[in-house]
Amino acid sequence: DTAVSQTPKYLVTQMGNDKSIKCEQNLGHDTMYWYKQDSKKFLKIMFSYNNKELIINETVPNRFSPKSPDKAHLNLHINSLELGDSAVYFCASSQDPAGVGTDTQYFGPGTRLTVL
Amino acid sequence: SQKIEQNSEALNIQEGKTATLTCNYTNYSPAYLQWYRQDPGRGPVFLLLIRENEKEKRKERLKVTFDTTLKQSLFHITASQPADSATYLCALGSDYKLSFGAGTTVTVRA
Repeated sequence: DTAVSQTPKYLVTQMGNDKSIKCEQNLGHDTMYWYKQDSKKFLKIMFSYNNKELIINETVPNRFSPKSPDKAHLNLHINSLELGDSAVYFCASSQDPAGVGTDTQYFGPGTRLTVL
Repeated sequence: SQKIEQNSEALNIQEGKTATLTCNYTNYSPAYLQWYRQDPGRGPVFLLLIRENEKEKRKERLKVTFDTTLKQSLFHITASQPADSATYLCALGSDYKLSFGAGTTVTVRA
């Protein structure tokens, strides 16, 4: 039944490690996104993909690499984790066949990443 | 530079009253504006969308206005209930993305 799902829900890791977060949507949407919400609760877009093609890369460090194996999945891999990467990461999707990025978005439950 | 400001970080109101939240923006020309609700530990949930050529939109006890001249949207929760307690985010659509405000946390006291 879940529309947008993410795994894991919590991720605690040491600085310097590499980790991945997975996202899947079963809504048949064409566009998927990754957002970062920091401790001040600002929700900021990182990436958007439309039908597996990158649309937005919002000046995110290249330690972050999104991968979209198909239009229902958008995973986020993070290399060499830093303390400042600690945040909640949200995946979202929208119908948006043209990838304009401004349609109504459906968010996953979030992944709380803590880097020690 | 572009900026989205939501009037206050927190709003405390008595049950039954109307909560009014403000979203002001500068250096955007959004085709439309959206409002989302976020509960602690959860992802934002879409509530309402209003287009630039619409003055007002309603959904049950929620009402949104959009004034492109003032560059402002007002979000009203009428007959508020404790279950309305949450953080409300406005989001502007432009440049292939949604840009979110920091949110206003509403607490409705019984």
